[in-house]
Amino acid sequence: QSVLTQPPSASGTPGQRVTISCSGSSSNIGSNTVNWYQQLPGTAPKLLIYRNNQRPSGVPDRFSGSKSGTSASLAISGLQSEDEADYYCAAWDDSLNGQVFGTGTKVTVL
Amino acid sequence: QVQLQESGPGLVKPSQTLSLTCTVSGGSISSGSYYWSWIRQPAGKGLEWIGRIYTSGSTNYNPSLKSRVTISVDTSKNQFSLKLSSVTAADTAVYYCARLLKNFWSGSLDSPPYYYYYMDVWGKGTTVTVSS
Repeated sequence: QSVLTQPPSASGTPGQRVTISCSGSSSNIGSNTVNWYQQLPGTAPKLLIYRNNQRPSGVPDRFSGSKSGTSASLAISGLQSEDEADYYCAAWDDSLNGQVFGTGTKVTVL
Repeated sequence: QVQLQESGPGLVKPSQTLSLTCTVSGGSISSGSYYWSWIRQPAGKGLEWIGRIYTSGSTNYNPSLKSRVTISVDTSKNQFSLKLSSVTAADTAVYYCARLLKNFWSGSLDSPPYYYYYMDVWGKGTTVTVSS
């Protein structure tokens, strides 16, 4: 049961900018930080963004995150073919006292 | 570099208990401010958090699974484990273990200090099918 809502799909041509939204509530995004995970086909998720907008070492600066109120977003600029993947937002939920994930967004490079 | 590896039966009969182990290599399971988590993903669907454990034994579980889940840690073996009882076909999924890092941001003029968490290391996942 996903508590965070994402659009099911997003697409763009190589070089374009794509943005993915993540909508939550005051008990999760509104009061905790947001992380983003990238899942390439057939592989385990990989940390892409942590603490709303921080990139782990090795993640290209084409990926950026932001948060405002009870929503967050992930932007991919200069879209590349290797960015085709599923993307999930995640946050701690104080009401559930547990981690919640977004519904996931499949990014397609046209 | 820390690596995680899930192991356990790939096939479990309905009503039985699913048991998986995650082995931590390249570092001690007891070092640092880490929790250890389980996440699952049914085929073609999204991620579902199952629960987490600290090396002290303190746990948090997904409320929807709490009555059936037990996560434990064995620091002597550098492993942590998942048990899910009374399984049904709905529990068929890829099961991942992950390291959950707890960190502290000391704040600024615009923002108070807070703790934040993220899963920075994941296992490759293991497929568990519930079927008779």
